[in-house]
Amino acid sequence: QKEVEQDPGPLSVPEGAIVSLNCTYSNSAFQYFMWYRQYSRKGPELLMYTYSSGNKEDGRFTAQVDKSSKYISLFIRDSQPSDSATYLCAMNRGKLIFGQGTELSVKP
Amino acid sequence: DSGVTQTPKHLITATGQRVTLRCSPRSGDLSVYWYQQSLDQGLQFLIQYYNGEERAKGNILERFSAQQFPDLHSELNLSSLELGDSALYFCASSVGQETYGYTFGSGTRLTVV
Repeated sequence: QKEVEQDPGPLSVPEGAIVSLNCTYSNSAFQYFMWYRQYSRKGPELLMYTYSSGNKEDGRFTAQVDKSSKYISLFIRDSQPSDSATYLCAMNRGKLIFGQGTELSVKP
Repeated sequence: DSGVTQTPKHLITATGQRVTLRCSPRSGDLSVYWYQQSLDQGLQFLIQYYNGEERAKGNILERFSAQQFPDLHSELNLSSLELGDSALYFCASSVGQETYGYTFGSGTRLTVV
């Protein structure tokens, strides 16, 4: 079993939709939870990070961490075609452990 | 431009050969991390250096090695290459040893034929 599980998708939604991306994990020692966005043929870029449980909002993006369920989510409101990318969750264990990534396509 | 520079961008080489991938971290960053990304394995951590010293090792094959030089740039050496080594290799950097806020380079795409 992988330490971090993420549905690879692909996920296709119409422009303006609310997108929900999720990861589950097995190691309760994880404390920092991150979401990276990766456009095709580019390096991942950090979108948001959250320390421990709770919510964090940044514009159209909201990250949620539920440590009791070992479940993290990223919500994208009013999704745009420019949001089309692969989204990777990541967690720390001395180094970052990444999920497989979910490929998102937002159709105009 | 993330500030992390990786060269070359593309590399095509034959099985059994040796290649060197280079990474210049963002100005001021002391930690360098190497990751391998393939379609079936996702982003896999290989190795971390902090200010010239190896700090953490992941799933790095014995045929692979890395180092970080006094000017903080890093090189990843891949030898006795196999077809399965074909992947994107990313370098990332961070200011310290904290495990959030990595800045990634744009990667080196290695194709072994």
